[in-house]
Amino acid sequence: QVQLVQSGAEVKKPGSSVKVSCKASGGSFRTFDFSWVRQAPGQGLEWMGRIIPSLGVTNYAPKFQDRVTFTADTSTRTAYMELNSLTSDDTAVYYCARDAPSGGLPFDYWGQGTLVTVSS
Amino acid sequence: DIVMTQTPLSLSVTPGQPASISCKSSQSLLHGDGKTHLYWYLQKPGQAPQLLIYEVSNRFSGVPDRFSGSVSGTDFTLKISRVEAEDVGVYYCMQTTQLPLTFGGGTKVEIK
Repeated sequence: QVQLVQSGAEVKKPGSSVKVSCKASGGSFRTFDFSWVRQAPGQGLEWMGRIIPSLGVTNYAPKFQDRVTFTADTSTRTAYMELNSLTSDDTAVYYCARDAPSGGLPFDYWGQGTLVTVSS
Repeated sequence: DIVMTQTPLSLSVTPGQPASISCKSSQSLLHGDGKTHLYWYLQKPGQAPQLLIYEVSNRFSGVPDRFSGSVSGTDFTLKISRVEAEDVGVYYCMQTTQLPLTFGGGTKVEIK
């Protein structure tokens, strides 16, 4: 059974940065590609982008292009999402999800979500 | 960007009755690989979303057969033949045909 386990909740000041991790475990071996999705309080789902660690490829949604960085450690199957220049509008739950950009089922497994609160 | 427009915003359904959710894409979702990359997810209260339907009409593993998906042009529909209490939550459609990936705004399903 595939599991994606994310790091814990964060409280950040405006203007600072946050880094969220997502560790994959279980399931048969295959390259894990990750997407990041966020959900502001009471709002819908918003795709931030994806990372394909085996290829060293990242795709960022235009809205986040200038402020977000995705990295990954293939040896530990862990992905990271770092968001800079935080404002109160970045208060949201951030999810990682297993992606399948080269075929297969996208977002068939999700992390539990990480609440990031931006407040002065 | 491909815009995904879901209707209705919310739905209140009597248990055992059917429900239908629409998702319209602003352009064709037919990919060069011959597949239509439209997916449906259910986010139950307090949980992460879960995959229900992939590539328009295929149920994901473990999804009850009361859930079905269909398409007519750029109009996609998720149907629940007989709503059960466990089906409450917010349903989202999503396209992966073109970057950036985009979600519909969501449809909240409640039980009467």
